[in-house]
Amino acid sequence: EAQVTQNPRYLITVTGKKLTVTCSQNMNHEYMSWYRQDPGLGLRQIYYSMNVEVTDKGDVPEGYKVSRKEKRNFPLILESPSPNQTSLYFCASSLSYPRDRAYEQYFGPGTRLTVT
Amino acid sequence: AQKITQTQPGMFVQEKEAVTLDCTYDTSDPSYGLFWYKQPSSGEMIFLIYQGSYDQQNATEGRYSLNFQKARKSANLVISASQLGDSAMYFCAMRELTSGSRLTFGEGTQLTVNP
Repeated sequence: EAQVTQNPRYLITVTGKKLTVTCSQNMNHEYMSWYRQDPGLGLRQIYYSMNVEVTDKGDVPEGYKVSRKEKRNFPLILESPSPNQTSLYFCASSLSYPRDRAYEQYFGPGTRLTVT
Repeated sequence: AQKITQTQPGMFVQEKEAVTLDCTYDTSDPSYGLFWYKQPSSGEMIFLIYQGSYDQQNATEGRYSLNFQKARKSANLVISASQLGDSAMYFCAMRELTSGSRLTFGEGTQLTVNP
């Protein structure tokens, strides 16, 4: 079954304690992305990756790191979490975007993070 | 500037009636794609429908159709014969040629279907 998986699904942590949210896809997609969802703001992109070892900032990258060492995995790292990073996080993947077509993005189930 | 605008924070509809969720967008790219996603209370993002900027006809997927008015830069989602299970948050999103695979989302519309 084609899917994007994220772990953990729920996490409560304290300020400053480093954490990693994993994301994995089994569709051989080149493109992977992280979003955060906050009430009234929709989804905002944090980081994205066009392929292995190629990552770039989205709209709200401050306080986050990512890596793309393998095509299937795209972990999100919070080196020193703060309460304003309390949010619902989504990982997504898709084929790369050819010039004249567009592809659906597949979303993971979401990770609800609370930082106290 | 806001690229995707959903002006209806909340909408209510009676079961079995049709409902239109509004979405307007702003882009200077001639090539772009517009998407609608559904997010039920369980939280997952479910793809509903896609419209390409060069598509001549409005997209349809079952009870979902997209009312695409390119000159007005609007891409409204029409849900026909609403069902209780349609109650959810709905997001409009756009992908532009110059931004590659990146999606820009609107703020969302919370739809409630009343029995």
